[in-house]
Amino acid sequence: NAGVTQTPKFRILKIGQSMTLQCTQDMNHNYMYWYRQDPGMGLKLIYYSVGAGITDKGEVPNGYNVSRSTTEDFPLRLELAAPSQTSVYFCASSDKQGVSPDTQYFGPGTRLTVL
Amino acid sequence: KNQVEQSPQSLIILEGKNCTLQCNYTVSPFSNLRWYKQDTGRGPVSLTIMTFSENTKSNGRYTATLDADTKQSSLHITASQLSDSASYICVVHTGGFKTIFGAGTRLFVKA
Repeated sequence: NAGVTQTPKFRILKIGQSMTLQCTQDMNHNYMYWYRQDPGMGLKLIYYSVGAGITDKGEVPNGYNVSRSTTEDFPLRLELAAPSQTSVYFCASSDKQGVSPDTQYFGPGTRLTVL
Repeated sequence: KNQVEQSPQSLIILEGKNCTLQCNYTVSPFSNLRWYKQDTGRGPVSLTIMTFSENTKSNGRYTATLDADTKQSSLHITASQLSDSASYICVVHTGGFKTIFGAGTRLFVKA
């Protein structure tokens, strides 16, 4: 079990460029999430998905898009990179949400710098 | 406004010593509270989870407490080890997909 994997580990973008952050989990979890972590701040939810074909916005979705065509994959797309998107991005998955959500398992993160 | 505040921001202790990290939250409704450990360059890993009715939970040398009346939680680390050097994040779930993360306490354990 690899758990949650993310690629790339690091990336530098120029303003206006686009890229896709990849996330894959092999735990057959229905729920997947994208967070960003800025220095000295708590993680903020960008988008989440409750299953293949179903996604919804989190707290800070502007400038990002997601898709969920399979249970395993949940890519995050940046269309027009801006310096404000410089951050560390974490993908996570969990088994279920509700009154007592299961543990979220996090990937190792992607460190993105936009210059 | 839903908030999770942690203190101290950072802490340096000697190997073998104990320490306690604090978490105050103003989150409603409350579903459960977790403590995560985040090593440098890695994603967070869950240490403990407590629901409203639980006031203490242990995981090895880590013991978390919860006072739902005062909306405070603490994480006590016993006999610290160099490998305990990490950020410790307090996370409150409100139910559904709403999760509020604290900014974390950065712990440095020195030999």
